[in-house]
Amino acid sequence: EVQLVESGGGLVQPGRSLRLSCAASGFTFDDYAMHWVRQAPGKGLEWVSGISWNSGSIGYADSVKGRFTISRDNAKNSLYLQMNSLRAEDTALYYCAIGDFDYWGQGTLVTVSS
Amino acid sequence: SYELTQPSSVSVSPGQTARITCSGDVLAKKYARWFQQKPGQAPVLVIYKDSERPSGIPERFSGSSSGTTVTLTISGAQVEDEADYYCYSAADNNKVFGGGTKLTVL
Repeated sequence: EVQLVESGGGLVQPGRSLRLSCAASGFTFDDYAMHWVRQAPGKGLEWVSGISWNSGSIGYADSVKGRFTISRDNAKNSLYLQMNSLRAEDTALYYCAIGDFDYWGQGTLVTVSS
Repeated sequence: SYELTQPSSVSVSPGQTARITCSGDVLAKKYARWFQQKPGQAPVLVIYKDSERPSGIPERFSGSSSGTTVTLTISGAQVEDEADYYCYSAADNNKVFGGGTKLTVL
């Protein structure tokens, strides 16, 4: 059974940093690209970032480019999102998802507020 | 970048057919996916490659494509189908979700 478990969310002040993690199991992690998608409270889905199976191809939404960094550790079956210079508008539930969004985790909530 | 446009809401009675559209130029050359999201839950893939249904998704869910518009059809909608539905497509490194459609079945 595919499992994706996000962690690392919390309350953080504007301008500070946070690192999200996604622990994957139930599939061959290094066969798949992985993504982060966020959903602000009461809003729709927004793709944040994606990374290919071997980290050779990485992409970011314009809204986070230069502030967020995606990475993965295939030996640990884990996906990460380093979020710097956080803004109030980054407040959202952050999901990790596999491949072409075939499966999603339950998300971790990031709240940016003073 | 590009956009995918969905109606904000669709309403049907139980047993009726619900149709949710998604429009965008990219859909003329790229496949679309549809996701269902119930309150407090993560999204679930219900249609891929415009019209393919993953295993475990009821047959009443179907998809179609015509030009720059794709359509999710729920034939004989049930109360448990009430949810938000999002279309998605990708071109190059741009990955975009539609704004979402709230389906009400009552």
